[in-house]
Amino acid sequence: AQSVTQPDIHITVSEGASLELRCNYSYGATPYLFWYVQSPGQGLQLLLKYFSGDTLVQGIKGFEAEFKRSQSSFNLRKPSVHWSDAAEYFCAVGARTNAGKSTFGDGTTLTVKP
Amino acid sequence: DTGVSQDPRHKITKRGQNVTFRCDPISEHNRLYWYRQTLGQGPEFLTYFQNEAQLEKSRLLSDRFSAERPKGSFSTLEIQRTEQGDSAMYLCASSKSQGGSEKLFFGSGTQLSVL
Repeated sequence: AQSVTQPDIHITVSEGASLELRCNYSYGATPYLFWYVQSPGQGLQLLLKYFSGDTLVQGIKGFEAEFKRSQSSFNLRKPSVHWSDAAEYFCAVGARTNAGKSTFGDGTTLTVKP
Repeated sequence: DTGVSQDPRHKITKRGQNVTFRCDPISEHNRLYWYRQTLGQGPEFLTYFQNEAQLEKSRLLSDRFSAERPKGSFSTLEIQRTEQGDSAMYLCASSKSQGGSEKLFFGSGTQLSVL
């Protein structure tokens, strides 16, 4: 069975500070990993995805994520957070050709302090 | 590209009533997915269509739930005899499956409250 754990329910960072959101996954085959962002009242937006190749993946809005197979992790990072990054972030794992059946984590809510 | 739209945005109903939600995917997308999201949790897959064919239903989807995509375009999700436990956000997503990697586009969801 596949699963995703996001250990941090809520994180608060100051604007301009760096950010790291943790994600651990369990998947029986080669994982296809995603990070999504959800702002209040809006649907999920894909930030980035990883299937193979370079383990450091660049996404939109200045986000990046690093795949570490040995740790079953896919942590999301941003060097300098902006107030507009306040949202809920979801990590997901699934199959490359059927991303819609992915298993999502329970999310991490990011608050940005001025 | 007008995005995925869902209607209504909010629905309040009494227990035992039937409700129907609509999802309009991006026009050239052949796949359409439905999810349920409760507070403090990520989306849970319910069912998906490829064109007009419903290819899979989650075990989460009880017999009270039914989904259709009659012409391979918009889709409806109906819940019969609603229960308080059905209260959730219902999300729709669409994608264009081309044999390679798949990218989902989500709608803003329908928030259902069952009183």
